[in-house]
Amino acid sequence: GEDVEQSLFLSVREGDSSVINCTYTDSSSTYLYWYKQEPGAGLQLLTYIFSNMDMKQDQRLTVLLNKKDKHLSLRIADTQTGDSAIYFCAEKDSSNTGKLIFGQGTTLQVKP
Amino acid sequence: DAGVIQSPRHEVTEMGQEVTLRCKPISGHNSLFWYRQTMMRGLELLIYFNNNVPIDDSGMPEDRFSAKMPNASFSTLKIQPSEPRDSAVYFCASSLRDSLNEQFFGPGTRLTVL
Repeated sequence: GEDVEQSLFLSVREGDSSVINCTYTDSSSTYLYWYKQEPGAGLQLLTYIFSNMDMKQDQRLTVLLNKKDKHLSLRIADTQTGDSAIYFCAEKDSSNTGKLIFGQGTTLQVKP
Repeated sequence: DAGVIQSPRHEVTEMGQEVTLRCKPISGHNSLFWYRQTMMRGLELLIYFNNNVPIDDSGMPEDRFSAKMPNASFSTLKIQPSEPRDSAVYFCASSLRDSLNEQFFGPGTRLTVL
């Protein structure tokens, strides 16, 4: 079945760039997503990329998609302490029932 | 819109008691999801509904768990009887099943079973 894998933890210094990586299995996914979960809150959509794109940039965020390797990454430039959160990669389930397949989440720790 | 509303925000109960978690999805959304999050197992999808009909409940851990969606604006997740291993944060999410499929999460219910 479909599966999404991510590393569990990343620690960076304030001002550095962060890169969070994800691999997925369903090559037919039309959308791939990055959700952010701040402490004590639910997940919130941060950004997404359509499968016919290689890159999407949104202010400090850059999403790269390598469809051949089924690899998705999220780069956060000039990482701030407010970026400390759990980041979830997700793909749209191929059944088209509205279900998303989430990864385990990567905890980003930003040190001052 | 107020977003997805969940109640209670915190629940502490004793083993063996019945627990009912409630969710009000965003008005107009036609899909509703129940998730559980723990440190050990991460985020797990328990069950989801499309147009108030359960589509997939394969994530429900066991018969002690049940979920209903009697109408488009309300859903419940019930645990009877509760056990300490049910302690977790339970999230409800809703979406408009369009091409983007963005899911909007509620703030969660933190359940502690003593």
